[in-house]
Amino acid sequence: SQQGEEDPQALSIQEGENATMNCSYKTSINNLQWYRQNSGRGLVHLILIRSNEREKHSGRLRVTLDTSKKSSSLLITASRAADTASYFCATVSGGYQKVTFGTGTKLQVIP
Amino acid sequence: EAGVAQSPRYKIIEKRQSVAFWCNPISGHATLYWYQQILGQGPKLLIQFQNNGVVDDSQLPKDRFSAERLKGVDSTLKIQPAKLEDSAVYLCASSLLRQYNSPLHFGNGTRLTVT
Repeated sequence: SQQGEEDPQALSIQEGENATMNCSYKTSINNLQWYRQNSGRGLVHLILIRSNEREKHSGRLRVTLDTSKKSSSLLITASRAADTASYFCATVSGGYQKVTFGTGTKLQVIP
Repeated sequence: EAGVAQSPRYKIIEKRQSVAFWCNPISGHATLYWYQQILGQGPKLLIQFQNNGVVDDSQLPKDRFSAERLKGVDSTLKIQPAKLEDSAVYLCASSLLRQYNSPLHFGNGTRLTVT
């Protein structure tokens, strides 16, 4: 089963614009992670935010977490054509770090 | 450090045949995951190992899927017999158990087509 629902399912923007993706989940978490997947490849870890954090930055990425609403958002600023990929949120829960992925957002950045 | 290795990269089989996938995680990573990713969907957890023990296999179709992790290192995932709906990419990932907030490292996956 999918823990996270992502919104939108697909997003098309011009190069230089910002892209925002949202993730909602259902149960309590240890942390929440975001991954990128280029076509035909495995997933690559982008950023991790702990359950006691509200915001985190890494380069052009900004992640927010609202545990009261069970939601997170990923902002990519000044997007580039190379950012074209699918993006997934993943919740981590339990003592054994069960990692459950959302449905994903397919981002297309037009040069 | 070397990444997660998976083989084969592609596999085409007929329904009712059997198939096996192999995964070699990053050295020292105690936790190993197998995910199934159907086209257009997010990865679905099939089984999670901690060292050579299973900690979660709640979504593994045990009538046809099996997995093992001998000596807590390499792992194999088997499907027998395969069905058309098993067509998907099978992803292996590993992580450091000791680091509570540690990311997953993925292999490039095995794309299975069942005809």
